[in-house]
Amino acid sequence: KQEVTQIPAALSVPEGENLVLNCSFTDSAIYNLQWFRQDPGKGLTSLLLIQSSQREQTSGRLNASLDKSSGRSTLYIAASQPGDSATYLCAAGGYGQNFVFGPGTRLSVLP
Amino acid sequence: NAGVMQNPRHLVRRRGQEARLRCSPMKGHSHVYWYRQLPEEGLKFMVYLQKENIIDESGMPKERFSAEFPKEGPSILRIQQVVRGDSAAYFCASSPLGDTGELFFGEGSRLTVL
Repeated sequence: KQEVTQIPAALSVPEGENLVLNCSFTDSAIYNLQWFRQDPGKGLTSLLLIQSSQREQTSGRLNASLDKSSGRSTLYIAASQPGDSATYLCAAGGYGQNFVFGPGTRLSVLP
Repeated sequence: NAGVMQNPRHLVRRRGQEARLRCSPMKGHSHVYWYRQLPEEGLKFMVYLQKENIIDESGMPKERFSAEFPKEGPSILRIQQVVRGDSAAYFCASSPLGDTGELFFGEGSRLTVL
């Protein structure tokens, strides 16, 4: 059974810092790994999707990497801004199977 | 291309009533997932459906909960005889038929049981 954990549970940083969020999964037989952000009272917004054959994906100030052999993914946020404040979730998926979510990292970027 | 549409956005029910939550996937998507999020908790998988088929319902409570995704129309998550513990946000996600498996979420339906 797939289990996904995220470290840290919460993070508070001053504006402008670079930061790394971590995601670990127990079953390396995944098809893809997806990162989301969730604002309070809102749905989930997809940030990046990394397929199992890929090592990383980039979108603007965000970069996500995937190491299947070690069961880890990281989300790197460059030059953080107050608008980045949200909860970040990772989800591990297998094709045709349900996606298992981590508990999330609550990020606060202070102006 | 409209996103995943969920309605109602907010629903209030008294104990013992029924709740019906609807989800229209993105155009061209034939895979639908339902998740539940309790206050201050993570997303928990409930059920995975394709058109007219339940693929995985391992996360669904054994009683009172059911889901369907008919050939025509939205997917429906039905909760019978609601109890206060059913109060939560229910999220629907859809994925395209194919091998990318990327999930796209709706804004959720927030159920409050009085």
